[in-house]
This record gives sequence, C-alpha cells and structure tokens, in this order.
Amino acid sequence: DSGVTQTPKHLITATGQRVTLRCSPRSGDLSVYWYQQSLDQGLQFLIQYYNGEERAKGNILERFSAQQFPDLHSELNLSSLELGDSALYFCASSVGVGNEKLFFGSGTQLSVL
Amino acid sequence: GENVEQHPSTLSVQEGDSAVIKCTYSDSASNYFPWYKQELGKRPQLIIDIRSNVGEKKDQRIAVTLNKTAKHFSLHITETQPEDSAVYFCAAVYNFNKFYFGSGTKLNVKP
Repeated sequence: DSGVTQTPKHLITATGQRVTLRCSPRSGDLSVYWYQQSLDQGLQFLIQYYNGEERAKGNILERFSAQQFPDLHSELNLSSLELGDSALYFCASSVGVGNEKLFFGSGTQLSVL
Repeated sequence: GENVEQHPSTLSVQEGDSAVIKCTYSDSASNYFPWYKQELGKRPQLIIDIRSNVGEKKDQRIAVTLNKTAKHFSLHITETQPEDSAVYFCAAVYNFNKFYFGSGTKLNVKP
C-alpha cells in the first residue's frame, strides 16, 4: 500500500456526463499529480498541484479541471465525457520540492459508455 | 521540454536470463531518474532510482546505470523470474517535480 488513496476504484458513466475523481495523498505529501493511462498506453501527465496551487500542466483537456483543497486532497473533474476518455486515472503524491519520489494510488478505472 | 524515449517496447526472455531496458532523455537539466514497475491492473511502483551524480546503483537483482554525457540510462534485471513480468516505465525528472515518463516496456519472462 503506497498510502495514496483514490476513490472510486471503478466508475461507469455515459457520454456527456460529468464525474469527479478523488485523491488523498500520503500523509505529509504536499504535491499531487494526475495521470491518465489509456489501454496499453503510457502515463500521460495531466496536472500537478503543490500545497493547494497549480504547479504544472500537461496534456489536460479543457473539459477537465482539478483542484487541491486546504487538507491537501485533490479532485479531478471530467465533464462532457466522451468514449475516448475511458481510461485508468492515477493520482500520485510526493513530499514536494526537493524530494522527487513519487507514489501512485491504485487508480480509478473510468468507463464511458 | 524533456523527451524520454524507451526501448524496447516489448521484451521476452527466458527465466534466469538477464533483461535490459534502455531510456534516453533530451534535457541535460534532468537530475533524477526513477524506474517504475506496473503489474497488470495495478499501480506503478517505484523499484529503483538514481540521481545524476551517481553512475550506477544496485539493489539485489536490479541495477540502474546512468551515462550523463550520452543522456541515457538503463535498467538491468538479472536472473529474471516469472514475477518480474510487468510493464516497466523509466522517467526523467528535473526541477524536482517535472516527471517525464517513457512509453513503457512490456517484459515477459517465460518459465
């Protein structure tokens, strides 16, 4: 167990809908990352937060947004869902600046039907 | 930005043989190079890492080598076992928080 908690584990929804994925980082970690992994694909970086503020942005669609709350948990919001958004979404956390070790949660499997 | 290339995309070895996965990176500012193992349906897990001021690091059957001049680093697994079968990702990291992952290598260890 990495200490990073993601909920829900599985999510099935329809096209056009909106979903929220939740992530609680390891205790003491200030930085949260979101990654998308489509079937048999690599890890596509979406966005990173550090202590509540956006730190870096990757290939995140405009239909997607995220935030990190004062208690350091993070949420990834996916709206106007399309079939192609079906993927495994990972959250990862690290202590933050000066310590790069990244620990992944178990992921949320999103299926858009 | 950084570009990380990983080869091969698939690798099949006989149990007991060695496996080598190679990655190249483009940004000389990258200073940390972790390797992650992802078993089917599971999370990526850190298995070994190396910093830019070190040329080689070993942990039991796995080792990582880094050539800063050539901008490449490699994962070596000796005496492979079926449980080593997984997808392996390399990454190059700079500025402490910018992770760039390779595309992954699917390792199959045949018993």
